[in-house]
Formats: sequence, structure tokens, C-alpha cells
Amino acid sequence: IQLTQSPSSLSASVGDRVTITCRASQGISSYLAWYQQKPGKAPKLLIYAASTLQSGVPSRFSGSGSGTDFTLTISSLQPEDFATYYCQQLNSYPPFTFGPGTKVDIK
Amino acid sequence: EVQLVESGGGLVQPGGSLRLSCSASGFTFSSYAMHWVRQAPGKGLEYVSAISSNGGSTYYADSVKGRFTISRDNSKNTLYLQMSSLRAEDTAVYYCVREDIVVVVAAPTFDYWGQGTLVTVSS
Repeated sequence: IQLTQSPSSLSASVGDRVTITCRASQGISSYLAWYQQKPGKAPKLLIYAASTLQSGVPSRFSGSGSGTDFTLTISSLQPEDFATYYCQQLNSYPPFTFGPGTKVDIK
Repeated sequence: EVQLVESGGGLVQPGGSLRLSCSASGFTFSSYAMHWVRQAPGKGLEYVSAISSNGGSTYYADSVKGRFTISRDNSKNTLYLQMSSLRAEDTAVYYCVREDIVVVVAAPTFDYWGQGTLVTVSS
């Protein structure tokens, strides 16, 4: 199963609403996760099962979708949210493939 | 507190070998499947290998099949990745990752990651 993400990068301002899309090459039900990675750090789980927020993750992050099309939304971008975001499918085991990433930087 | 601490990375010549270790603490290691994920400098995440909780099942990405071996010692709470016939394209930060199953949604997650260990393959 292949994953694509769009856009590959975006520039946004603090307070902006940001939407990142992940598309799977075949249906994966709701077995999709989103991760945030900052430079030099390990990825951090944000959302699993497409829409369930991981404990401790701010509520400005949300996920939606099922089947082949998924979305990560940040409702009001904060300074600490500038990072790279990856989706991952966990339907077909293994491998649990990752998307290519979306880099969010400051406009 | 769940902790995953990788070690064993370093500089190795092409064709050489290296063994990575991941020491786990803060949870019942023997109850969880574990994975290795790598990230080449400036690149995205690449899924490398997986092992079931009891070590009975393993998986390898095509890019490392036949060269890498994943194993675990549940008595020592340690995950391993034996890497041989290393190539320049294996240069990456290698992360040890725990797989959890969230029962209420019956969904797997990669909920804890180590800090990573850098492997550099170069002459």
C-alpha cells in the first residue's frame, strides 16, 4: 500500500488553519496514524485510527477520513507546530508504510 | 515511564556489519511487537523490520531482506537489529518503536519511539 501526501510543504502563519491530506493506494479502513517530527527528534504520535487524538495532544489537532482519503487539520497553528507531518497506514501488516511527509514552516 | 534507548550506531565501511540494540523499560516488553524504522539524512521515514512479541514472526523491507536480522531477548528487555553487507544507502538514524494495540478501536499504533541511533556507512 502506497501513501501520498499533499502538499509536500506549506508556509503558514500563527493562527492559520492548516489542512494536510493523505491518500492511500487502496482502502485501509480507518487504520491511519499521523505523526509530528521536529528536527533532530523522533516522531511523535498525534492521531491514530484516523481520528482519535493521542493522550496529551492538543485539541487543535484533528483527523478525519476512512478508506483511501484522510485529512489532518490544525485549527489554529501555534509556533510549536512548525514541523514535518507524516501519515502511516496500519491496515496491511507488514509493512506499515509511511507517507512522504509534509513540512509546515513559517510564512 | 516507557523508555526505549537505542545504541550501537556508528561509522562502518561498506560491506561491514553492525548490531543495534534497543533497551526497553517501563512496560512489559514481552507483550509488545516491536519495529525498526529508519530515516536517511534529510529524508522521510522508512519502515525497516518488525518482530512479534514472542519473536516467532519477523518481517523485513525488501531493501534490507537477506542482510538485516531482527531479534529480541525478552529476558533482557532488549530488541536487536543485526546489519550486515552494509551499503551507503543504509546510512540513517535508526529508531526502535513499540507497537501498541488500542483495544477500544482495535487499531495498532506506534506509540513510543526511541531517540534514534545514527548509522553511517562510508569508506
